[in-house]
Amino acid sequence: GNSVTQMEGPVTLSEEAFLTINCTYTATGYPSLFWYVQYPGEGLQLLLKATKADDKGSNKGFEATYRKETTSFHLEKGSVQVSDSAVYFCALSGGSNDYKLSFGAGTTVTVRA
Amino acid sequence: NAGVTQTPKFQVLKTGQSMTLQCAQDMNHEYMSWYRQDPGMGLRLIHYSVGAGITDQGEVPNGYNVSRSTTEDFPLRLLSAAPSQTSVYFCASRPNWNTEAFFGQGTRLTVV
Repeated sequence: GNSVTQMEGPVTLSEEAFLTINCTYTATGYPSLFWYVQYPGEGLQLLLKATKADDKGSNKGFEATYRKETTSFHLEKGSVQVSDSAVYFCALSGGSNDYKLSFGAGTTVTVRA
Repeated sequence: NAGVTQTPKFQVLKTGQSMTLQCAQDMNHEYMSWYRQDPGMGLRLIHYSVGAGITDQGEVPNGYNVSRSTTEDFPLRLLSAAPSQTSVYFCASRPNWNTEAFFGQGTRLTVV
């Protein structure tokens, strides 16, 4: 079945640093890929998504590109802020009749002023 | 729109008790899912549904039951609570398999 492997955390950065969180997946067919963010004490919310190969999802300065050749969907942000401190989850759904939305283990990011 | 509403927000159970976590959505979404979130484990899928009357098991279904009699509601039943079921539970809904999922605020369950 489908699975997602995500870079382990925690990650601690200074403000204005560059952030990368690696995500690779295993799936047959053509799944859709997502990044979700969870702020302290809250549920998850969608950060960005990509539904086909070479698509780039972007939102709030974050970007991720759907790379089918490397089965990856790495999240990047060029200059983080304290308000970006959160847990980030890579997820996928679909591909060969698998309709479950599966998540990686999550990466905790802390940005210090 | 209320979105996805979970009740209760907090619950303490004794070992062996049963209870139902409620989940309702007002967006007419076909797909609904239950997850549990534990430290270092990410979100693990318990059960999911692709429409009224259709449910299936996820990664960790043991000890939980679900049913989907209406599009709006997807309750999760704990049959006989165990300390291993102490967790934060999230319900999510989405219109289709490749679309954004909307999450409830979560239920923090403690089994003593």
